[in-house]
Amino acid sequence: NAGVTQTPKFQVLKTGQSMTLQCAQDMNHNSMYWYRQDPGMGLRLIYYSASEGTTDKGEVPNGYNVSRLNKREFSLRLESAAPSQTSVYFCAGRSYRDSGNTIYFGEGSWLTVV
Amino acid sequence: DAKTTQPTSMDCAEGRAANLPCNHSTISGNEYVYWYRQIHSQGPQYIIHGLKNNETNEMASLIITEDRKSSTLILPHATLRDTAVYYCIVRGGQNFVFGPGTRLSVLP
Repeated sequence: NAGVTQTPKFQVLKTGQSMTLQCAQDMNHNSMYWYRQDPGMGLRLIYYSASEGTTDKGEVPNGYNVSRLNKREFSLRLESAAPSQTSVYFCAGRSYRDSGNTIYFGEGSWLTVV
Repeated sequence: DAKTTQPTSMDCAEGRAANLPCNHSTISGNEYVYWYRQIHSQGPQYIIHGLKNNETNEMASLIITEDRKSSTLILPHATLRDTAVYYCIVRGGQNFVFGPGTRLSVLP
């Protein structure tokens, strides 16, 4: 998936616990994204980062924080996990080098909050 | 970004062409049409994109109508491994907005 790596792949949390999902890319992507996908639904954008040091809210940002410390890494943090945050999380990157600027996804992180 | 409308599901016989339609009647002049697919719960995979002209690559062809209000993704010889959810996305700004897509089932 074009050099987008997510960790961990699987995680079980208790309600109220915190955790950070890590995403790293080696394709020199300018923009990076975090999506979540619930069963039978399409992907919904949580946060995105158009460039290093900038972040913006997407469609469903509540309960999440993000950090784009450098160009390669974009992390997603759950400060106090809730069962409603049980989902599959996808990180993605986009470069500005080609026409149309395609977006490339990682393999996903499965998170269960009990 | 313009919204898209796709059928919920489609079937296709193995070896035949799969034609997946997408309506995007509110598309504006600088918005591209993208197609992605998602197999099981893997990360979405890029297939093809275009602006005005028809496009072809090793995976598929994209036919965009002259008025750009609709498009069709063509998988020329569908295989069982093409069974997936296919997403049509119109993007002009920063974000890619995914709808529910079309669930394509390739039948033996």
